[in-house]
Amino acid sequence: AQTVTQSQPEMSVQEAETVTLSCTYDTSESNYYLFWYKQPPSRQMILVIRQEAYKQQNATENRFSVNFQKAAKSFSLKISDSQLGDTAMYFCALGLGGTSYGKLTFGQGTILTVHP
Amino acid sequence: NAGVTQTPKFRILKIGQSMTLQCTQDMNHNYMYWYRQDPGMGLKLIYYSVGAGITDKGEVPNGYNVSRSTTEDFPLRLELAAPSQTSVYFCASTWTATNEKLFFGSGTQLSVL
Repeated sequence: AQTVTQSQPEMSVQEAETVTLSCTYDTSESNYYLFWYKQPPSRQMILVIRQEAYKQQNATENRFSVNFQKAAKSFSLKISDSQLGDTAMYFCALGLGGTSYGKLTFGQGTILTVHP
Repeated sequence: NAGVTQTPKFRILKIGQSMTLQCTQDMNHNYMYWYRQDPGMGLKLIYYSVGAGITDKGEVPNGYNVSRSTTEDFPLRLELAAPSQTSVYFCASTWTATNEKLFFGSGTQLSVL
């Protein structure tokens, strides 16, 4: 079975600063993917960034980047130049490869508040 | 392009009632999923389907049933609703199981009183 743990229930950051959200996971599989999803008050699930486990290079998407430490089973999200629109719940998720791809295991979430 | 459409957006049920949550996608996706999100928690997989006529249980299937008679539709049936089923329900779909983006619907908020 897969597990995903987010140990920070809430985080806050000032606008334009940088914040890092933590995530650890556990799986015995070798073919897996890791995701960060954003859920604003509208409750829409928005994919922020995706990392393939077989890739050593950390994924980046504009102001969002990850620190993927495979041996430590750690997958943190760094948000640079934080904006008010980044205020949301953030979920870390793990999905296996093959036909299990969309069967995601989610963490408990981290509420991020960006202050002006 | 509508994407993944869920209806209704909100619903209140009485204990013991039944209902069907509708999910339709217009992207010709083979893989479809139902998740539930309890207050302040992450999503948990209820059921999934890899194609028309094929469904299987996820992590929390008890109290639910699904069917997949067409590629587009994947309804979720609640029989004998219980307060423990109060949750937000998300439907999602993807084209294949090869590193494609998972598309989510906007969710159905269900309260069982």
